[in-house]
Amino acid sequence: QVQLVESGGGVVQPGRSLRLSCAASGFIFSSYDMHWVRQAPGKGLEWVAVIRYDGSNQNYADSVKGRFTISRDNSKNTLYLQMNSLRDEDSAEYYCARGHGSSYVDHWGQGILVTVSS
Amino acid sequence: QSALTQPASVSGSPGQSITISCTGTSSDVGGYNYVSWYQQHPGKAPKLLIYEVNNRPSGVSSRFSGSKSGNTASLTISGLQAEDEADYYCSSYTSSSTVVFGGGAKLTVL
Repeated sequence: QVQLVESGGGVVQPGRSLRLSCAASGFIFSSYDMHWVRQAPGKGLEWVAVIRYDGSNQNYADSVKGRFTISRDNSKNTLYLQMNSLRDEDSAEYYCARGHGSSYVDHWGQGILVTVSS
Repeated sequence: QSALTQPASVSGSPGQSITISCTGTSSDVGGYNYVSWYQQHPGKAPKLLIYEVNNRPSGVSSRFSGSKSGNTASLTISGLQAEDEADYYCSSYTSSSTVVFGGGAKLTVL
């Protein structure tokens, strides 16, 4: 079955960097676009970024553009999110999700918590 | 990239039907048949309920249905059950090649 397992979260100071990983299994990873979606504590879902199945194109929410980079290694079935210049408002549960283009996501990871705090 | 507009809360009694609206613009909901709906129980990851306006993934109850008119999409849940109590989010593809979610609607089953 489809499994997505995020890792790399934790507590980080404002202005610092963090890299999240998402290990995928149970499907042909290189055939699917992949997304990151986040959810601040007690708040709604916020889409963060998408990367094409072959890594050829990426798109970002305005709130993270220029600071976050989504990437993937299809040989390792792994998705990444490099987060630089972190701000308090980036504190959230981060989910990786399997996409059908940018139309919808059909499987989600369990989420990983990122807390930005001094 | 303004969030799609959903009611903050909706409620209904067991057995009743409820509808959750999701209003966007011609640059997202109104411009594409790429509206999806997700259910999220507390402490859990979201679950896909409806994709491309009115399609249900296998395993999702037929009590859930979706529709769209102009810039507004809707999720209808018929035969409400206690287990339907959750947060519901709509989502749409946008003309900027991005994705936008609604603010979420909390469903209470009375």
